[in-house]
Amino acid sequence: GENVEQHPSTLSVQEGDSAVIKCTYSDSASNYFPWYKQELGKGPQLIIDIRSNVGEKKDQRIAVTLNKTAKHFSLHITETQPEDSAVYFCAASRWNTGNQFYFGTGTSLTVIP
Amino acid sequence: EAGVAQSPRYKIIEKRQSVAFWCNPISGHATLYWYQQILGQGPKLLIQFQNNGVVDDSQLPKDRFSAERLKGVDSTLKIQPAKLEDSAVYLCASRAPELFKTQYFGPGTRLLVL
Repeated sequence: GENVEQHPSTLSVQEGDSAVIKCTYSDSASNYFPWYKQELGKGPQLIIDIRSNVGEKKDQRIAVTLNKTAKHFSLHITETQPEDSAVYFCAASRWNTGNQFYFGTGTSLTVIP
Repeated sequence: EAGVAQSPRYKIIEKRQSVAFWCNPISGHATLYWYQQILGQGPKLLIQFQNNGVVDDSQLPKDRFSAERLKGVDSTLKIQPAKLEDSAVYLCASRAPELFKTQYFGPGTRLLVL
């Protein structure tokens, strides 16, 4: 089955700096890669996603890049703010197998004011 | 649009007791998932429903866990009897039937087994 690895497990940045979280996946057939933000006591919330036919996607301060050849994808957050502090999860999925998501182990991001 | 609803939000039980969790997905979402999230880990799929049928329950510990979605809408997940290692957050998610639609998660039920 699919195996998703995520790094780093913890990340601290100064407010206004950029944060980068990286994930690798093992199944070359995976073709959908969402990123979720989970705040304390809440369920994961989708923040951005990318399909395998696209190399990069951006939404305001958040961007995701995908390298299918190397089987890795990354989340980039620019101009970080204290409210970006949360745990971020990447996931990989094959749409033709019922869309089961395989999650990474999470990155705890702390933005220091 | 209302999100995925789950109850209860918190539950504390002793080992060997039984517990049940309830999930109401987003209206019109045919696919429903139950995940287990142990502290410090990513969610792990327990069971996936398409309408009222089971698509994947390969990771559900069937000797103690059961789940149903009788009318293709709400779902319940039951643990009987609970073990200490079942302490986790149980997340419900749902997805619309169209292609390339993502999963939306509920707030989860935090279970502590003593």
